[in-house]
Amino acid sequence: EPEVTQTPSHQVTQMGQEVILRCVPISNHLYFYWYRQILGQKVEFLVSFYNNEISEKSEIFDDQFSVERPDGSNFTLKIRSTKLEDSAMYFCASSSTRTTTGGDGYTFGSGTRLTVV
Amino acid sequence: AQRVTQPEKLLSVFKGAPVELKCNYSYSGSPELFWYVQYSRQRLQLLLRHISRESIKGFTADLNKGETSFHLKKPFAQEEDSAMYYCASKDYGGATNKLIFGTGTLLAVQP
Repeated sequence: EPEVTQTPSHQVTQMGQEVILRCVPISNHLYFYWYRQILGQKVEFLVSFYNNEISEKSEIFDDQFSVERPDGSNFTLKIRSTKLEDSAMYFCASSSTRTTTGGDGYTFGSGTRLTVV
Repeated sequence: AQRVTQPEKLLSVFKGAPVELKCNYSYSGSPELFWYVQYSRQRLQLLLRHISRESIKGFTADLNKGETSFHLKKPFAQEEDSAMYYCASKDYGGATNKLIFGTGTLLAVQP
């Protein structure tokens, strides 16, 4: 079964440092997403990406965040200057269609746990 | 704003007992609802979507529009069902295909 792969599984970084979280979506999927989950809280939408541009972003996704699909296979989330409150589990997802329930729906990766110290 | 509510953080049952994980949503129209499961340190996996009305691993969930609920049920819990369960709804508040999640319920099935 195809999978969405995320690396690293756990990253520790110092406050103020830049981090890049990496995701390899399923190869024939066209729509890509990042979600995050702060410990003890709900999974929250960050951003969606299609056709090499952001389709939608939440209020969480401020200027410190950026996404990129640099080489046609990877989908990255960059946080320019990390803050303590950026500590969370970050999930990547991809889908083959624009609808939530059509086709493959959503496939999530196993997440990257980011700890900012 | 749309919300998905899972009132229980933890549900502990014995093997063989019935399980009901509660989920309520706030949306005035016809929602698209899902249950996701996360086994220890693994990915979020789609368990059920309400439109397919399927049964996966013995779990079922019925949409009750009157109660705005989408509770997940299984008649006889197994130890391997122990996991984090998230209820989610399609978010109709934006232009793209995104989900709103509940806070999750940890199901612990005791031997």
